[in-house]
Amino acid sequence: QKEVEQNSGPLSVPEGAIASLNCTYSDRGSQSFFWYRQYSGKSPELIMFIYSNGDKEDGRFTAQLNKASQYVSLLIRDSQPSDSATYLCAVNSGTASKLTFGTGTRLQVTL
Amino acid sequence: NAGVTQTPKFQVLKTGQSMTLQCAQDMNHNSMYWYRQDPGMGLRLIYYSASEGTTDKGEVPNGYNVSRLNKREFSLRLESAAPSQTSVYFCASRPRKAGAGEKLFFGSGTQLSVL
Repeated sequence: QKEVEQNSGPLSVPEGAIASLNCTYSDRGSQSFFWYRQYSGKSPELIMFIYSNGDKEDGRFTAQLNKASQYVSLLIRDSQPSDSATYLCAVNSGTASKLTFGTGTRLQVTL
Repeated sequence: NAGVTQTPKFQVLKTGQSMTLQCAQDMNHNSMYWYRQDPGMGLRLIYYSASEGTTDKGEVPNGYNVSRLNKREFSLRLESAAPSQTSVYFCASRPRKAGAGEKLFFGSGTQLSVL
């Protein structure tokens, strides 16, 4: 079982819709959770982080965490074509500053 | 402010050749990392250095060595390159404070092909 799992996609949503990206993790001791966005040919950039159960909102982005279910998600409201990218979920188990990444979900926002 | 600088950006090697990927950060970060990214595999940690003078293996260390030369620089060496090491390599750094919100700052990546 992979430590961090994501559906590879592509996830296709129309412009203006809500995109929902999901991630599960195996280590119950995980403490903090991150969403990175990566455009093709570019390096990843952090867009959200969350460490407490519940929702965290930042502009059009909402991260949701459920530690009991070992599940973290990212919602993108009012999706724009510029949101088309690969979204990487990353988990910090709290040991030695290591982040473990999922394989990423490719999002396509269509006009 | 350059952030994390990786060199070279592109490299082609023949099987068995050696090379060193260079990484330097100017943000006074304590922790530095080397990841590789392959299609469908996501980012996988090769080695990391939690602080100057220390290095530790990550998920896929075989075939690689690292050197934390000083606080700024963290190099990755391939002693005898193999086609399986064809990948995009990212260096990253992170401030000292652990915990949520401490983002990784990534370099622009090195596209390595081993023929």
